[in-house]
Amino acid sequence: GEDVEQSLFLSVREGDSSVINCTYTDSSSTYLYWYKQEPGAGLQLLTYIFSNMDMKQDQRLTVLLNKKDKHLSLRIADTQTGDSAIYFCAERGGGATNKLIFGTGTLLAVQP
Amino acid sequence: NAGVTQTPKFQVLKTGQSMTLQCAQDMNHNSMYWYRQDPGMGLRLIYYSASEGTTDKGEVPNGYNVSRLNKREFSLRLESAAPSQTSVYFCASLRTANTEAFFGQGTRLTVV
Repeated sequence: GEDVEQSLFLSVREGDSSVINCTYTDSSSTYLYWYKQEPGAGLQLLTYIFSNMDMKQDQRLTVLLNKKDKHLSLRIADTQTGDSAIYFCAERGGGATNKLIFGTGTLLAVQP
Repeated sequence: NAGVTQTPKFQVLKTGQSMTLQCAQDMNHNSMYWYRQDPGMGLRLIYYSASEGTTDKGEVPNGYNVSRLNKREFSLRLESAAPSQTSVYFCASLRTANTEAFFGQGTRLTVV
């Protein structure tokens, strides 16, 4: 079945770049997502990439997709304390199912 | 435009009690989802409904039932609550033609 894995914790200093990694198993995934969850809140979409793309850049965010290795990464440039949150990777199944599977989440701690 | 609305926001149940978590969306989305979030486990898919009239099991369906009442509403029922079902529950919805899944604010359920 589908499985999405992430490392649980990442600590960086303010101003550095952060790289959060994710691996997934469903080769028929159509979209791959990065969601952000701040304490006590729901999830908000940060960015996404279509499965036929290798890279997507959106201001400070860069998403890289290696479809062969089923590896997705999110790079946050010039990380700020406001970026401290849990980041979830998710894959969306193909066909009509729209099945949406999330990873375990990576807690990003930004040190001032 | 309310988006995805979950009720209730908080609930305490005794072991063995039953309850229904309600979710409604006003965005004309065809797919709806129920997840539970536990520390270190990420978001795990309980059930989803790809379209009105269909429901499918996710990763952790045991102990739960769902009803896709109409296109707007997708409810999650716990027939006999257990302490292991203590969690934060999130409802989400998505339109096939779009990329983003929208989330409700969550229901914090405690079973004692």
